[in-house]
Amino acid sequence: AQTVTQSQPEMSVQEAETVTLSCTYDTSESNYYLFWYKQPPSRQMILVIRQEAYKQQNATENRFSVNFQKAAKSFSLKISDSQLGDTAMYFCAFMKSRGNAGNMLTFGGGTRLMVKP
Amino acid sequence: GAVVSQHPSRVICKSGTSVKIECRSLDFQATTMFWYRQFPKQSLMLMATSNEGSKATYEQGVEKDKFLINHASLTLSTLTVTSAHPEDSSFYICSANGGPGSPLHFGNGTRLTVT
Repeated sequence: AQTVTQSQPEMSVQEAETVTLSCTYDTSESNYYLFWYKQPPSRQMILVIRQEAYKQQNATENRFSVNFQKAAKSFSLKISDSQLGDTAMYFCAFMKSRGNAGNMLTFGGGTRLMVKP
Repeated sequence: GAVVSQHPSRVICKSGTSVKIECRSLDFQATTMFWYRQFPKQSLMLMATSNEGSKATYEQGVEKDKFLINHASLTLSTLTVTSAHPEDSSFYICSANGGPGSPLHFGNGTRLTVT
């Protein structure tokens, strides 16, 4: 079974600054997908970024980027130029690669990020 | 992009009654959908995997007779909380993905309050 660990229950950052959220996982799979989801107070789950394990290049989406270290099983999220709207719960998630639809996500415990003005 | 619609967004029911929550994939077919439960300030806990045309797969500790799942079509899965009790009060959220490795698309969730 896979496990996902987010060691920072809460973090805060000043507006316009950079913050990094950590995530580690444990799996025996060689190919898989990793995701970061954002859950604002509305509780809607919003996909932030996606990484395929077989790709060495770190994924980037505008102000969001990841540091994917496959050997270390680490998948951290960096948010640059933090904005007030980034305040939310952030979940790291793992998905097996099975070649068919219907792959479930295993979530970490979440990190509550507060961006301060 | 792919959209998942979940209804109702909020429901209050009396103890002992049953509540049905619907999850629809609006612009794609989902042979598999997932039902999660989320307690306040906690992560999403997978309850069950809903498979179109077959029985759902429940996670350990989840009562299948209490949380009935029906996935009768490629676009609709329903979760029925039977004989609800106050401890069933929670946030329930469904999700589906449209293909291998595709990120899950989530409904907006249902806040259930049992009085």
